[in-house]
Amino acid sequence: EILMTQSPATLSVSPGDRATLSCRASQSVSSRLAWYQQKPGQAPRLLIYGASTRATGVPARFSGSGSETEFTLTISSLQSEDFAVYYCQQYDKWPQTFGQGTKLEIK
Amino acid sequence: QVQLQQWGAGLLKPSETLSLTCAVYGGSFSGYHWNWIRQPPGKGLEWIGKIYHNGSTNYNPSLKSRLTISVEPSKYQFSLKLSSVTAADPAMYYCARGRLYEDFFSSWGQGTLVTVSS
Repeated sequence: EILMTQSPATLSVSPGDRATLSCRASQSVSSRLAWYQQKPGQAPRLLIYGASTRATGVPARFSGSGSETEFTLTISSLQSEDFAVYYCQQYDKWPQTFGQGTKLEIK
Repeated sequence: QVQLQQWGAGLLKPSETLSLTCAVYGGSFSGYHWNWIRQPPGKGLEWIGKIYHNGSTNYNPSLKSRLTISVEPSKYQFSLKLSSVTAADPAMYYCARGRLYEDFFSSWGQGTLVTVSS
């Protein structure tokens, strides 16, 4: 089973600033990596798939990059609604696995 | 736009069987696979298993011995049964849609909180 490690566990950023979240896979997952956003009391929401493709309706301030074992989610110019928990997920190897999440909080 | 609506018993005793159903509204049923994912309180996400419209399944090996996922294509519904629940099974359980050949999840149900208590 592939282990997905996200860092940092908590990230404090001011509104309007840029946030960079990292995700590392224990072995190569090619570009089969997705990112999700989860707000309190809500189901996760798909943001990015294929490491860099935004899902339908996702604002352009969200961007994903990386391949193989190292991936990054960047949120430029943070808005108040962006403060949430973010999860990465690999779907290259079965069973698909998730990271433990990064909590993005207001500084 | 597709919507997933789920329901089922939220309070179980140890050794009972967890049973949840998810209904799909507003989208194709055959062009996707249908998943169950859980999230223990304050923790991350765990994929449980999936089913295709033809009834073909894949289960997480960690749960396979206790797990049954079934489908009723004519009703656009799929169901989860997890037998012999223990103190390790309390979680928010979600149903979710996955695109064929891609195991990421583009639409999710609202979640059902399952508690296990004697």
